[in-house]
Amino acid sequence: DAKTTQPPSMDCAEGRAANLPCNHSTISGNEYVYWYRQIHSQGPQYIIHGLKNNETNEMASLIITEDRKSSTLILPHATLRDTAVYYCIVRADQTGANNLFFGTGTRLTVIP
Amino acid sequence: GAGVSQSPSNKVTEKGKDVELRCDPISGHTALYWYRQSLGQGLEFLIYFQGNSAPDKSGLPSDRFSAERTGGSVSTLTIQRTQQEDSAVYLCASSPRQGRVSEAFFGQGTRLTVV
Repeated sequence: DAKTTQPPSMDCAEGRAANLPCNHSTISGNEYVYWYRQIHSQGPQYIIHGLKNNETNEMASLIITEDRKSSTLILPHATLRDTAVYYCIVRADQTGANNLFFGTGTRLTVIP
Repeated sequence: GAGVSQSPSNKVTEKGKDVELRCDPISGHTALYWYRQSLGQGLEFLIYFQGNSAPDKSGLPSDRFSAERTGGSVSTLTIQRTQQEDSAVYLCASSPRQGRVSEAFFGQGTRLTVV
């Protein structure tokens, strides 16, 4: 699985958009970009994933650069409950490797 | 409940003792994963079960770690002769289909402290 690089921490004002960057310069053509988050004392929660097109769901938007070497997770209107550690990982889906290697992620703090 | 259930939620044990951690996956989910998360670290894969296939044990850190899944449902992770470095949160996840990690649901974990 390709390695990802994320800033260790970020702050965001409540109600504003939170933009979480991720670099994955060694991503392979068949690898997807996944985002998970982990709120304190809870298990990781799936947010969104994409291959090359931008994706949007009820939780967030995922913007992937054209060269696929980086991406940004966007929480359009951050709330206090979005305070969590956000993990960006890249991996090929539906392969025999069924493991997830999470790095240390970005600790997002939403400030009132 | 409808989610992945793990027990106990917290476990304190003495070094050298054996511990068993339990995971009840979501009903009908064929894939089950065990991970652990040490303080300040990301998730570390331990083992993966898929239906009746042989489990992927490639992440188990030593032969003191073992896991089984009975009847394709409940799974137990056993750590023998626990060491202080085994202290971590042990997370279980399940998903309805093989390889669909995007559909994995995680439990809240078991916090293991070895003293």
